[in-house]
Amino acid sequence: NAGVTQTPKFRILKIGQSMTLQCTQDMNHNYMYWYRQDPGMGLKLIYYSVGAGITDKGEVPNGYNVSRSTTEDFPLRLELAAPSQTSVYFCASNRGRTGELFFGEGSRLTVL
Amino acid sequence: DAKTTQPNSMESNEEEPVHLPCNHSTISGTDYIHWYRQLPSQGPEYVIHGLTSNVNNRMASLAIAEDRKSSTLILHRATLRDAAVYYCILIYNTDKLIFGTGTRLQVFP
Repeated sequence: NAGVTQTPKFRILKIGQSMTLQCTQDMNHNYMYWYRQDPGMGLKLIYYSVGAGITDKGEVPNGYNVSRSTTEDFPLRLELAAPSQTSVYFCASNRGRTGELFFGEGSRLTVL
Repeated sequence: DAKTTQPNSMESNEEEPVHLPCNHSTISGTDYIHWYRQLPSQGPEYVIHGLTSNVNNRMASLAIAEDRKSSTLILHRATLRDAAVYYCILIYNTDKLIFGTGTRLQVFP
């Protein structure tokens, strides 16, 4: 099993551009999450999903969108990128709400 | 939302035991207590979790207070590779997994 795979690992965007961070898991997990981590800070929950077709907002959803059309994939869309979205983004998944969380390696995004 | 409180930082010497505390006074009866750690420049990794009873695994032990309002992650013999930020989180019925600021553990040789 590859676990949780995130692409790209690094990306530089210009202000106003849009992009999608991809997240795929091969563990048949129902629950998936997107976090962001600013330098020297903890993780902030952006969006989460409890199954295909179901998504909900986390702590910091503004400026982002998600979709969950399949169990495996949970892409995070940034519209109109802003410097405040410069961060490292982590995708995670678990089987059920009490299960061990598995994290991807992260995607480092810089908006200039 | 249930929250956890952890000290910002702790220090230990190599091969000494480390006790990392976490307060979660608003925990509900069905909340699981999870611990994760984040090594420098890596994503968080699972350490241990429990509900009511103390738990042991190859990485650490989790001691849960009888009233469940606090817990302690125990690293029995700290190594330099244990230097990381340790997060204590509660998983509760809204399905959100909210991380706090964690405890930065420094280990000295």
